[in-house]
Amino acid sequence: RKEVEQDPGPFNVPEGATVAFNCTYSNSASQSFFWYRQDCRKEPKLLMSVYSSGNEDGRFTAQLNRASQYISLLIRDSKLSDSATYLCVASGGNNRKLIWGLGTSLAVNP
Amino acid sequence: GAVVSQHPSWVICKSGTSVKIECRSLDFQATTMFWYRQFPKQSLMLMATSNEGSKATYEQGVEKDKFLINHASLTLSTLTVTSAHPEDSSFYICSAGGAYEQYFGPGTRLTVT
Repeated sequence: RKEVEQDPGPFNVPEGATVAFNCTYSNSASQSFFWYRQDCRKEPKLLMSVYSSGNEDGRFTAQLNRASQYISLLIRDSKLSDSATYLCVASGGNNRKLIWGLGTSLAVNP
Repeated sequence: GAVVSQHPSWVICKSGTSVKIECRSLDFQATTMFWYRQFPKQSLMLMATSNEGSKATYEQGVEKDKFLINHASLTLSTLTVTSAHPEDSSFYICSAGGAYEQYFGPGTRLTVT
């Protein structure tokens, strides 16, 4: 079983749609969780950290369920510019090493 | 946010040659940097953790004699791919930061012919 698992997609949605990505992690010792966005042939960029209480940043909402070892990302009112690969990341046991999911590909269509 | 640079951004080399990639933290000091490799349509795979002033820690399956890492200062880590082969062609990315956020370099695209 992969340490961080995501549905690879691709997700094809129309502009304005709401889309949700899910992710599970296997290391119960992981303390920090993140969603990164990666555009084709570019480095990953931090989208948002994920907190136990859930957090929202504009159209993006991230949630963490420690009991189920599950992380989610919700994107509302999708824009064309949201098209990218979204990477779910969990910290390793030493809290510095990051464990990456394979990413979920999103294509927002006009 | 903090800035990490990499050089070169892309390189094409012949099989059997060695290639050095530099990773610099421009506005902060980094005692630890990470080197990743990403093949097309795959996720980032951590290759090694670069520690300033000491030996790098390599992930399982990564040959330390092939991927030489030097972290001689608090702002510079280098990765040298020795005797490169076509299967080493990949996107190499470094990062630096703390437990709560990693800042990535723009990556180096290596093509070995």
